[in-house]
Amino acid sequence: DTGVSQDPRHKITKRGQNVTFRCDPISEHNRLYWYRQTLGQGPEFLTYFQNEAQLEKSRLLSDRFSAERPKGSFSTLEIQRTEQGDSAMYLCASSNPGQGVVAGGEYEQYFGPGTRLTVT
Amino acid sequence: AQKVTQAQTEISVVEKEDVTLDCVYETRDTTYYLFWYKQPPSGELVFLIRRNSFDEQNEISGRYSWNFQKSTSSFNFTITASQVVDSAVYFCALSEAGAAGNKLTFGGGTRVLVKP
Repeated sequence: DTGVSQDPRHKITKRGQNVTFRCDPISEHNRLYWYRQTLGQGPEFLTYFQNEAQLEKSRLLSDRFSAERPKGSFSTLEIQRTEQGDSAMYLCASSNPGQGVVAGGEYEQYFGPGTRLTVT
Repeated sequence: AQKVTQAQTEISVVEKEDVTLDCVYETRDTTYYLFWYKQPPSGELVFLIRRNSFDEQNEISGRYSWNFQKSTSSFNFTITASQVVDSAVYFCALSEAGAAGNKLTFGGGTRVLVKP
C-alpha cells in the first residue's frame, strides 16, 4: 500500500488569503481524519469523514474552515481569510475499520507527512 | 472528556541506554484504546503500538515494550537499548469506543534525544 499523501507540504500565505490542502488516504480506507498540530503540542482533532459523509467537527473548526471528501476518496481542507493563529501543521490520517482485529474496536490511524502552513 | 498527559517533555540518553516514557490518561469509557506514535524530525507520525482496555497483558515487540495498568490509568512505553535513530517525539494517544469515529486524543509528547 502507498501511504497517506498530502499536498502541498509547505504553504506560506499572507493573512486574509484563502488556502486549500489536499489529502489522499490509503486506498480503500473509508475513514479520513484531519488534525492540527501547533509547535510543541500534540495533534488535535478537527474533523473526520466516513466515506463521503462528514460525521463530526471539532469546535476548533471555525466557520472559516471547511472540509470535503466528495467521492469518498481524497479530501480537501480549506481555510478562508487566514489568520496568524492558523499557522500550524495540518495532518491527515486514514483508517479502515474493516481491517480491525476487534469488531467495533479500534483501528490504528495512518498519518500523512502533513502540510505546514505559515501565515505572515 | 478524555485527556492524555505526558509529564516528561524531554529525555536525553546515551545510545544503548533504556528509555521509559510515561503516559497517564483519563476517560469515562469502559472500552478504550491506547496508542503510541513516533514523530521523527521529518514530521510524519508513525504508528508503533496499540492496546485495548480489556487486555492488560504487557508485551514486548523487538526493542519496544509497554506496561499498561488500568488501576493507575497508565500506559508506559520503553525502548530498550536505544539507538540514535530513536531520536524523535513520542506521543501517547487515547481513543474511546463511544466517541464518534474513534478520534484520537494525544498527549503533549515527549522528545527523546539519543546521543551517540
